[in-house]
Amino acid sequence: AQSVAQPEDQVNVAEGNPLTVKCTYSVSGNPYLFWYVQYPNRGLQFLLKYITGDNLVKGSYGFEAEFNKSQTSFHLKKPSALVSDSALYFCAVRDSAGNTGKLIFGQGTTLQVKP
Amino acid sequence: SQTIHQWPATLVQPVGSPLSLECTVEGTSNPNLYWYRQAAGRGLQLLFYSVGIGQISSEVPQNLSASRPQDRQFILSSKKLLLSDSGFYLCAWSGDRGLGETQYFGPGTRLLVL
Repeated sequence: AQSVAQPEDQVNVAEGNPLTVKCTYSVSGNPYLFWYVQYPNRGLQFLLKYITGDNLVKGSYGFEAEFNKSQTSFHLKKPSALVSDSALYFCAVRDSAGNTGKLIFGQGTTLQVKP
Repeated sequence: SQTIHQWPATLVQPVGSPLSLECTVEGTSNPNLYWYRQAAGRGLQLLFYSVGIGQISSEVPQNLSASRPQDRQFILSSKKLLLSDSGFYLCAWSGDRGLGETQYFGPGTRLLVL
């Protein structure tokens, strides 16, 4: 069965420092991986996805993610954090059973960027 | 471009009252549609999904139901609300062209059952 794990409930970084939000996955077959961000009382916003190709995926707002097949990881990164990046981040993997488009989400990681 | 709407934005309802939340998508046809619930600002629970008009799949047994009367309209309903139905309800859509399709989320409805 497909699953996603976000091992950190919260990540704290200082503004201007690099940030990493971790995600590991378990799938049967090829992984289709996604990152979303959620600001308070808002819907989820799509950041980036890995389907195939280059292991380093670039997305919105300066975020990128590195796909590592051997470590079954898809960590979200940003070279220089902003206070406005503080939000809840979700990693997700496509459920490859059937053609429903369903996503399996991790439990989310709260990113706190301090000035 | 595609947009997704949800209404109402917030709702306060008494226990035992009915519920109807609406989601509509513009700018696409034959989307896959999804209803999620998010409790305590954390994990997402998939409630229902639909791959076409009148086609509804339920992920978890519960007090809620869903309907898709039109291609781009998805409705979440209840005949009698429970306290445990409180939460943040999110609608999402995706294309149907394969596993690489992205899901896009609406702004959400905050439901408080008192």
